[in-house]
Amino acid sequence: AQSVTQPDIHITVSEGASLELRCNYSYGATPYLFWYVQSPGQGLQLLLKYFSGDTLVQGIKGFEAEFKRSQSSFNLRKPSVHWSDAAEYFCAVVIDSNYQLIWGAGTKLIIKP
Amino acid sequence: DVKVTQSSRYLVKRTGEKVFLECVQDMDHENMFWYRQDPGLGLRLIYFSYDVKMKEKGDIPEGYSVSREKKERFSLILESASTNQTSMYLCASSGDRGFRETQYFGPGTRLLVL
Repeated sequence: AQSVTQPDIHITVSEGASLELRCNYSYGATPYLFWYVQSPGQGLQLLLKYFSGDTLVQGIKGFEAEFKRSQSSFNLRKPSVHWSDAAEYFCAVVIDSNYQLIWGAGTKLIIKP
Repeated sequence: DVKVTQSSRYLVKRTGEKVFLECVQDMDHENMFWYRQDPGLGLRLIYFSYDVKMKEKGDIPEGYSVSREKKERFSLILESASTNQTSMYLCASSGDRGFRETQYFGPGTRLLVL
């Protein structure tokens, strides 16, 4: 069965440091790829998405993600985190064969002052 | 801005009660979704609807039903609430490409079943 793996349940980063959140999926073809963020007390919001074209995608709030077909990965990055980035981040993948959206379990980002 | 609203932020119900969770979107979206979110499990799809009066089961439909009588409104019904349905419930909507579109989420309803 297709799956999406976010290997880190929690990540702690100092404010101002760089961030990389990992996402791997199991599927042969190129899927549609999404990163969503859930800030405390708020609904999920799309950060960025990849369907085709340039494999480096820019999103909102200074985030970017890179699709690497050879590694079946779509890792999320930010060069310098802010305290307001503390949230839970979800990777999601649409498999073209049945157009279902498969979600990762999420990574909770904690920011150290 | 797309707005998805959910009828309650917090709800406490007793085992066996019938529970209605309502969701309204204001963007004329064709597709609407109900998920439950549990720690460590991510989001799991309960039901979705691609048109008025149309519905499809998701990954975990057991114990739930849905209703979509109007395009903007999608209701989730727990026919007889049980303690294992204590969870966060999220509603979302998207445009006509379904799962391939950006989903817009409501703030969620945290349901406690005693």
